[in-house]
Amino acid sequence: DIQMTQSPSTLSASVGDRVTITCRASQSINRWLAWYQQKPGKAPKALIYKASTLESGVPSRFSGSGSGTEFTLTISSLQPDDFATYYCQQYDSYPDTFGQGSKLEIK
Amino acid sequence: EVQLVQSGAEVRKPGESLKISCKASGYIFSTYWIAWVRQTPVKGLEYMGIIYPDDSDTRYSPSFQGQVTFSVDKSINTAYLQWSSLRASDTAIYYCARRSVAPEYFDSWGQGTLVTVSS
Repeated sequence: DIQMTQSPSTLSASVGDRVTITCRASQSINRWLAWYQQKPGKAPKALIYKASTLESGVPSRFSGSGSGTEFTLTISSLQPDDFATYYCQQYDSYPDTFGQGSKLEIK
Repeated sequence: EVQLVQSGAEVRKPGESLKISCKASGYIFSTYWIAWVRQTPVKGLEYMGIIYPDDSDTRYSPSFQGQVTFSVDKSINTAYLQWSSLRASDTAIYYCARRSVAPEYFDSWGQGTLVTVSS
């Protein structure tokens, strides 16, 4: 299985900050990567697919980049609603695998 | 609006059987794959496998092969996940999710079903 490693595992930031989360794959996954946001007690919600395509309805402050084995999720100006846990997922090779999550906390 | 509504929380004893459901609405159920994803505090999100409602083509992740069974009832737009003999290690939240068609990410998720297995 392809291993997905996210960093950092936890990130403390303030409203208005620019934050970046990294996701690394153990082998090339081309651009077949999605990012999800999960809030406590809720299901994950798709934010970005194909590494950089914003899901419909997702604010433009979210952006994704990367290809091959290294990817980033950037939030340009943190809003209160953004404090959550973020997961990457590769869907290049079966079985799909997820990163371990990056929890974004309020500083 | 696409919706996946899952059945409610369950508590079972080890060795018991269980079937949980995921009812789809707002789209043509038979034409999108439905995946099952397990979430635990220790292992995070784990992909269990996927089923295509139109013909019940099923693919299990190797880690879950033989441990669970997926099924569907197209007449009521519902997918199922079942266990024949639960273990304490099956305690988790289980999500169903719809797989988008090209690219194949999960574009809609159920609200999750908490399964607790305890003697």
